[in-house]
Amino acid sequence: IAGITQAPTSQILAAGRRMTLRCTQDMRHNAMYWYRQDLGLGLRLIHYSNTAGTTGKGEVPDGYSVSRANTDDFPLTLASAVPSQTSVYFCASSVGNTGELFFGEGSRLTVL
Amino acid sequence: GQNIDQPTEMTATEGAIVQINCTYQTSGFNGLFWYQQHAGEAPTFLSYNVLDGLEEKGRFSSFLSRSKGYSYLLLKELQMKDSASYLCAVMDSNYQLIWGAGTKLIIKP
Repeated sequence: IAGITQAPTSQILAAGRRMTLRCTQDMRHNAMYWYRQDLGLGLRLIHYSNTAGTTGKGEVPDGYSVSRANTDDFPLTLASAVPSQTSVYFCASSVGNTGELFFGEGSRLTVL
Repeated sequence: GQNIDQPTEMTATEGAIVQINCTYQTSGFNGLFWYQQHAGEAPTFLSYNVLDGLEEKGRFSSFLSRSKGYSYLLLKELQMKDSASYLCAVMDSNYQLIWGAGTKLIIKP
């Protein structure tokens, strides 16, 4: 089934540890995004990539990094996790800047 | 600053009609989007408006007034499965989506 796969689905992490959330899509979409979703707040964009080889900063990029080595994969790395990074993380993709995003199932991250 | 406002929670009865409002103030406008998100799941795309007026898609309709910075999502013949959060998002002049916090819709039998 075509779509976006995120891993892990859930993780508990000690503060200070490094963590990479994986995201893979098989729809050949050129644009990909990482969002975090926190209770009472809208989805907030962390980083995005309009095409393979390019990345950009979103609204809340501090403490996160991304890479886009190919069309399909867009991993998100927390270099040194802090408790404020406890959230649900969604990876998404789209055909260009259409606004019709396809989301992965989310990764629930708890930093203690 | 950029801002999207929508009610936090609404309650409606199965079989009835409900209207979820969204007002926005953004730097530029390249379209307004509605997404549905069931609890514990990913958001899924519902509708897109870029011109003023009503877009109908089955039981769901979405309306846009650009001059008023206003949209609504209308859900008819409500079913229990419509219990979800409904997210309003606006694409700004940089083609970035600005998201509202979502409206949690509770359907009662």
